[in-house]
Amino acid sequence: AIRMTQSPSSFSASTGDRVTITCRASQGISSYLAWYQQKPGKAPKLLIYAASTLQSGVPSRFSGSGSGTDFTLTISCLQSEDFATYYCQQYYSYPPITFGQGTRLEIK
Amino acid sequence: EVQLVESGGGLVQPGGSLRLSCAASGFTFSSYWMSWVRQAPGKGLEWVANIKQDGSEKYYVDSVKGRFTISRDNAKNSLYLQMNSLRAEDTAVYYCARSLDGNRNNYFDYWGQGTLVTVSS
Repeated sequence: AIRMTQSPSSFSASTGDRVTITCRASQGISSYLAWYQQKPGKAPKLLIYAASTLQSGVPSRFSGSGSGTDFTLTISCLQSEDFATYYCQQYYSYPPITFGQGTRLEIK
Repeated sequence: EVQLVESGGGLVQPGGSLRLSCAASGFTFSSYWMSWVRQAPGKGLEWVANIKQDGSEKYYVDSVKGRFTISRDNAKNSLYLQMNSLRAEDTAVYYCARSLDGNRNNYFDYWGQGTLVTVSS
């Protein structure tokens, strides 16, 4: 199975900050990577697919980059509603489809 | 509006069985692969199983193979997960989610609200 490792596991930031979350795959996955946002008690929400394609309706302050084994999710100017947990997911090779362990973004 | 609504969760004893359902609306259900994804309390996301549009292909995570069965009824716009020989480690919120295909577009653009399965004596 392809292992997905996110860093950091958690961190705190302030509204208006630019933040970057990293996701590393244990083997090359081309650009077959998605990012999700999850708020407490809610289902995950798709933000980005194909590593850098913004899902319809997602604010442009979210962006994704990378290919192969190293990927990043960037939020250019944090808003209050962005404090949540973020997951990456590979869909290059399965079964199994695999997710990163999550990155919890908290208010400083 | 796309909607996925899970049901069937609850408390079950170890070794017991449960059948989850997911009712789909607002899109052509028979055109999409469907998956079950679970999340243990306070933990991350774990993909459980998926099924092709016509039910001809099914895939499972190793930890549920031989115990869980995914199925669908396109006439009823419904997805199912039959869970047998349940273990404490199966305790989780179970989400149904759709994907465009089972290959290069196997990401999840819509999710249900989830149903909680608790395995405990």
